[in-house]
Amino acid sequence: DIQMTQSASSLSASVGDRVTITCRASQGISNSLAWYQQKPGKAPKLLLYAASRLESGVPSRFSGSGSGTDYTLTISSLQPEDFATYYCQQYYSTPETFGQGTKVEIK
Amino acid sequence: QLQLQESGPGLVKPSETLSLTCTVSGGSISSSSYYWGWIRQPPGKGLEWIGSMYYSGSAYYNLSLRSRLTISVDTSKNQFSLKLRSVTAADTAIYYCARHLYNDNWSNLNWFDPWGQGTLVTVSS
Repeated sequence: DIQMTQSASSLSASVGDRVTITCRASQGISNSLAWYQQKPGKAPKLLLYAASRLESGVPSRFSGSGSGTDYTLTISSLQPEDFATYYCQQYYSTPETFGQGTKVEIK
Repeated sequence: QLQLQESGPGLVKPSETLSLTCTVSGGSISSSSYYWGWIRQPPGKGLEWIGSMYYSGSAYYNLSLRSRLTISVDTSKNQFSLKLRSVTAADTAIYYCARHLYNDNWSNLNWFDPWGQGTLVTVSS
């Protein structure tokens, strides 16, 4: 199985900050990566797929980049509604696997 | 707008079978290019893909659960179901159903969207 590691389990930031969340795969996944946002008590919501493609309806302040084994999710200007937990998921090979999550908290 | 809703018992005894159903509305479960999947999340922890099934019955399973797992689809009811046998406390989790995109060109599963709201299943005597 491909292991997905998010470097931080949590981070603190302020409204307006630029936030970067990183995700590393145990082997190359050729941009077969999705990012999800999960708020407390809610299901995960798809933000990006194919590492950098924004899902319809997702604000443009969210962006993704990376290649090979290393990927990042960037929020260009953090908004109050962005405080949540973010998960990466690889779909390069089955079983699809998720990172452990990065919780973005209010500083 | 496609919506998914999980249903089933919230409490299951150890060694018994966990059974959940996901009802799909706003679209057909028989749509091409989509599998229908289950994902779980132990309280306060991360996400684990359980398995996914196409409306024709073709399925992918997480091998870590395969020996205890049955996923089925009922196209007449626009539903799919999960059965997990011989449960233990380690199976306590929020169980989500989701649509799982399938890439016909590459013959592989992709991302999950949308998700149901999730249902908490506790394994306890």
